[in-house]
Amino acid sequence: NAGVTQTPKFQVLKTGQSMTLQCAQDMNHNSMYWYRQDPGMGLRLIYYSASEGTTDKGEVPNGYNVSRLNKREFSLRLESAAPSQTSVYFCASSGGKTGLNYEQYFGPGTRLTVT
Amino acid sequence: SQQGEEDPQALSIQEGENATMNCSYKTSINNLQWYRQNSGRGLVHLILIRSNEREKHSGRLRVTLDTSKKSSSLLITASRAADTASYFCATFGWGANNLFFGTGTRLTVIP
Repeated sequence: NAGVTQTPKFQVLKTGQSMTLQCAQDMNHNSMYWYRQDPGMGLRLIYYSASEGTTDKGEVPNGYNVSRLNKREFSLRLESAAPSQTSVYFCASSGGKTGLNYEQYFGPGTRLTVT
Repeated sequence: SQQGEEDPQALSIQEGENATMNCSYKTSINNLQWYRQNSGRGLVHLILIRSNEREKHSGRLRVTLDTSKKSSSLLITASRAADTASYFCATFGWGANNLFFGTGTRLTVIP
């Protein structure tokens, strides 16, 4: 039982490049989330998926897109990376009927640097 | 912002002492959660307390919730060096769709 896995662990991009962060969970959770964490700040929600087939914007969605590929997988795409997107990105999942108000399980994070 | 605010921002104690962290928030909540983050790692869920609960225990952890003051506290008893981490509170508001995290308390336990 791997829990929540994320790839890659580290990534360096040049401004304007694109990339996709991958996330998968094996806990049969309905809901999945993408957060970013910047120094001195808490986690901020980028996008979430309450259930398979749905996605919604969080607090800081600009510059990102997501895809809920199936119940297990939720990817985050940066179409044209900017230095302001340098951050640590965390994927999380939660269970329950809709899962939104339950505890969340986090992946190990992806450290992204945009130069 | 619905974000919680933890207090203090940083706390340094000796092993064996108790550590208390506080969280204040602004809106009515369905539940409040505490998470731990070791350096360079993802967050780990510690405890969830619902708005109709006043106190909850889990091992060496004790969480209290005062909805009238919009505040919560996390007490770690008999701290260990392995408790060194950042601790975050997160609130789930009524009618909300997601958790809002505070900025965290950095706890250092000195062996």
